Amino acid sequence: AQSVTQLGSHVSVSEGALVLLRCNYSSSVPPYLFWYVQYPNQGLQLLLKYTSAATLVKGINGFEAEFKKSETSFHLTKPSAHMSDAAEYFCALDTGRRALTFGSGTRLQVQP
Amino acid sequence: GAGVSQSPRYKVTKRGQDVALRCDPISGHVSLYWYRQALGQGPEFLTYFNYEAQQDKSGLPNDRFSAERPEGSISTLTIQRTEQRDSAMYRCASSLSDNEQFFGPGTRLTVL
Repeated sequence: AQSVTQLGSHVSVSEGALVLLRCNYSSSVPPYLFWYVQYPNQGLQLLLKYTSAATLVKGINGFEAEFKKSETSFHLTKPSAHMSDAAEYFCALDTGRRALTFGSGTRLQVQP
Repeated sequence: GAGVSQSPRYKVTKRGQDVALRCDPISGHVSLYWYRQALGQGPEFLTYFNYEAQQDKSGLPNDRFSAERPEGSISTLTIQRTEQRDSAMYRCASSLSDNEQFFGPGTRLTVL
């Protein structure tokens, strides 16, 4: 069975600081991996996706993630946090069944 | 263009009542998915359709839950004889033939 683990339910950074949100996965087949962002009272918005074309994936709003098979990780990073990045972030996995398996989420707080 | 829409956005019902939640996918999207998200958790897969055919209903928790998409567009998720444990955010997503899912704003269901 597949699973997604997000380390840290809450992460707080200062504006301008590096953002690092951790995601580890477990899958018996090569996975597709996604990061979604959720703003209050809104739906989940896709930030980026890994579909085996390239291990370093660039997404919207300056975010990127690197697929590391040896570490079974897909951590999300952004070099410089902005106040508007405050939201909840979800890592998700698809093993080809089309049903996404989500992590429990990480709430990012950005301090001025 | 219009995104995925869901109605109602909020639903409060009494235990034992039936509820029907509606999802209107992005026009032309072949696949439609239902997820349930408990507070503080990531979305959990319930079921999905390709056109009008229900492809996978392995995530439906019990036989009180059912879903249909009779004309391959709008879908309804029905919960019969609601229980307090059914209280959650119910999210719908749609996609073209690939695996990028676009999410709606969700329906917040509260069972008293």
